[in-house]
Amino acid sequence: QKEVEQNSGPLSVPEGAIASLNCTYSDRGSQSFFWYRQYSGKSPELIMFIYSNGDKEDGRFTAQLNKASQYVSLLIRDSQPSDSATYLCAVIDGVSGGSNYKLTFGKGTLLTVNP
Amino acid sequence: NAGVTQTPKFQVLKTGQSMTLQCAQDMNHNSMYWYRQDPGMGLRLIYYSASEGTTDKGEVPNGYNVSRLNKREFSLRLESAAPSQTSVYFCASSEPGDGRMELFFGEGSRLTVL
Repeated sequence: QKEVEQNSGPLSVPEGAIASLNCTYSDRGSQSFFWYRQYSGKSPELIMFIYSNGDKEDGRFTAQLNKASQYVSLLIRDSQPSDSATYLCAVIDGVSGGSNYKLTFGKGTLLTVNP
Repeated sequence: NAGVTQTPKFQVLKTGQSMTLQCAQDMNHNSMYWYRQDPGMGLRLIYYSASEGTTDKGEVPNGYNVSRLNKREFSLRLESAAPSQTSVYFCASSEPGDGRMELFFGEGSRLTVL
């Protein structure tokens, strides 16, 4: 069973600051990583995925992956109160080229952006 | 386009009662999943179905059974509910490809077992 570790927080940042969310994983062979956002009382939604070492940017969001350190992070620039949510890190578990995939999630980090 | 639909949204059971959570997706996805979410525990996989006709256990399958009725529908059954099964249950579907995987979640079903 793959393990995914996240700091549960809460992480509190002022509006306009950079929020940094971190995640480590146990299986060195893991290939693909995902960040989901979950607002209180709602279902999770995908915001980023990354599978190559380095950075991947999408608007105010940047995912960073370091496979040697088994570490993936999510940076949110110019944080807004609407970014306040729980952020879930997930790693894919399955055989490459097959169809038997599933996601293992971390426990999530609660982010609060203060106006 | 409804996406993933779960029913019921809320349910209260007494210990020992049985119930079935229903899930249907209209995105023609092959894979479907049932997760439970408890405070401070994140999402934990109960069962999944990679394709019609197959089901597999996830991380926390004890006390549950599933049925992949057809490509659209995947139900979760609690045969004898226990207070430890009080949780929010999420159904999800996906069409994995090349190691990429976006799960589309239903709105969740909040179950309380007294």
